[in-house]
Amino acid sequence: SAVISQKPSRDICQRGTSLTIQCQVDSQVTMMFWYRQQPGQSLTLIATANQGSEATYESGFVIDKFPISRPNLTFSTLTVSNMSPEDSSIYLCSSGKGKTVNTEAFFGQGTRLTVV
Amino acid sequence: AQKITQTQPGMFVQEKEAVTLDCTYDTSDPSYGLFWYKQPSSGEMIFLIYQGSYDQQNATEGRYSLNFQKARKSANLVISASQLGDSAMYFCAMREGGSSNTGKLIFGQGTTLQVKP
Repeated sequence: SAVISQKPSRDICQRGTSLTIQCQVDSQVTMMFWYRQQPGQSLTLIATANQGSEATYESGFVIDKFPISRPNLTFSTLTVSNMSPEDSSIYLCSSGKGKTVNTEAFFGQGTRLTVV
Repeated sequence: AQKITQTQPGMFVQEKEAVTLDCTYDTSDPSYGLFWYKQPSSGEMIFLIYQGSYDQQNATEGRYSLNFQKARKSANLVISASQLGDSAMYFCAMREGGSSNTGKLIFGQGTTLQVKP
């Protein structure tokens, strides 16, 4: 299985500040995904990050609020900008294994964000 | 549009008993994949099992098996010999394949499982 290291694992942030979450995969992968899980809810896809191109955002999510970088095939970052208490959630990154989308989809350990 | 439905918000099972967690799905794509994940209170998402739409046999992984009924569009997770460590939230998810394969997953609402000693 692919190993995805995500950090930080948790953080408490002041409103109006920004937090950058990092994900490192132990092998090269074509696509990485960022999800948000609000308290007591299911996971919702924020965006898909392909190396060498702009991230593709889902409806309701915008680049100014959630800028994403994908500088190479093993790394991605998600920034939560100008945070408010409504951004308090678990943020998770995900990828398959290898350079093609296949039967596996693994997740990082998640970042539990609390905005105060 | 694709959709995943988990109708059981919470389930209880006695330790060492088997339990079935329900999942139904809707998609017009003939090629798709179905996933089950376990999410303990720590928040991480643990991959349990995968079933492809063209797979002839039901998937199994240790104590986990997937009861795949394609005509009924259901993909129920069966956990045998429940253990206290199985207490967690369980999510069913789907990924469309074929030409619309973007790799992204659509998740159900989740089922909280509590295993009683």
